[in-house]
Amino acid sequence: EAQVTQNPRYLITVTGKKLTVTCSQNMNHEYMSWYRQDPGLGLRQIYYSMNVEVTDKGDVPEGYKVSRKEKRNFPLILESPSPNQTSLYFCASFNSGANVLTFGAGSRLTVL
Amino acid sequence: DAKTTQPTSMDCAEGRAANLPCNHSTISGNEYVYWYRQIHSQGPQYIIHGLKNNETNEMASLIITEDRKSSTLILPHATLRDTAVYYCIVMKGNSGGYQKVTFGTGTKLQVIP
Repeated sequence: EAQVTQNPRYLITVTGKKLTVTCSQNMNHEYMSWYRQDPGLGLRQIYYSMNVEVTDKGDVPEGYKVSRKEKRNFPLILESPSPNQTSLYFCASFNSGANVLTFGAGSRLTVL
Repeated sequence: DAKTTQPTSMDCAEGRAANLPCNHSTISGNEYVYWYRQIHSQGPQYIIHGLKNNETNEMASLIITEDRKSSTLILPHATLRDTAVYYCIVMKGNSGGYQKVTFGTGTKLQVIP
């Protein structure tokens, strides 16, 4: 089944403790992206990647890092999480054949 | 990337057609109009997209004005399960590359029994 898989789905952590949210897609898509969703603010793009080793900033990249060493994986890294990064995070990949963006189920992160 | 404007919320009676409007007056010639919906806090679900022509699939119809500055998503027979936040976005297809995309806050559709 074609899907975008995020892990963990839920995480509670403390300020400053590095964490990684993984994202994997099994559809051989070149394009992948990360979004965060906060009440009243909709979905805002954090980073995107056009292909392996090609990444660029979205609208809210501060405090985040990404890497794209292989096509299927696009992890989101929080080197030193802060409470303002408490949010719901979504990973997505783009099917260039169907011109459709497919989202993962989301990862709810709480930073204390 | 072009921005979109949608009403904050709408109600629709169950069984009736739900018509959700979207303005995208700064859309570029190579940008598509896409509609997604999000139920509770699940991942946004693709509904439909189009470039110039009206489109229909098993979920909905998309009507795009001739000048492409606005569009309407039509759910022909709304059910309670259609209660969700609906997002209208514009973005380039594969030929134009896929870059920054802004989802905005969408329209919260409440289907009423």
